[in-house]
Amino acid sequence: GAVVSQHPSRVICKSGTSVKIECRSLDFQATTMFWYRQFPKQSLMLMATSNEGSKATYEQGVEKDKFLINHASLTLSTLTVTSAHPEDSSFYICSARVSGSGTEAFFGQGTRLTVV
Amino acid sequence: RKEVEQDPGPFNVPEGATVAFNCTYSNSASQSFFWYRQDCRKEPKLLMSVYSSGNEDGRFTAQLNRASQYISLLIRDSKLSDSATYLCVVNYYGQNFVFGPGTRLSVLP
Repeated sequence: GAVVSQHPSRVICKSGTSVKIECRSLDFQATTMFWYRQFPKQSLMLMATSNEGSKATYEQGVEKDKFLINHASLTLSTLTVTSAHPEDSSFYICSARVSGSGTEAFFGQGTRLTVV
Repeated sequence: RKEVEQDPGPFNVPEGATVAFNCTYSNSASQSFFWYRQDCRKEPKLLMSVYSSGNEDGRFTAQLNRASQYISLLIRDSKLSDSATYLCVVNYYGQNFVFGPGTRLSVLP
């Protein structure tokens, strides 16, 4: 199946700093990528939908100025957590779908963010 | 009401047991259905798609009832390696995937 690479897999940062997470589709083009967040023992919750070449669409309750999404190419989307706080500590996962149909989603490996 | 609901779990079963997971979804326009498996602290991975006619992959059988907006997953002859959280996922064409809360399965020796 298609491969989605997410980096870094783990990051620890200090409160107030910013962290960038990259999501790459390695062998296909993804006009749309999705960013999810998963807190312990909870399901994946969609944060935003990232569209290549346009602004991301954020879900209700997700601050667009705090979670900056850039989808500059058909194979790369980035999520930047700005001014991170301990409550932002979570598991962040990106996914991409091969353009054009309701086929399965391919997931990155996830990034475990710990803000201290 | 949540868009996708699943059995709360956890399910603790002995090796060799048969276990069934249930899932309901609220959006009747949903078009694609999947079961994903997620191991602890890992990303979800596709287990199988779910088709209206029902489909089987080895020990796994998935069923879809569109009229009842219900999806099921049956695992026969459970293995220790089946221990994971099983996520029911629905998709409306072209939109994001909506995940159920997951049902955790522990297969015990």
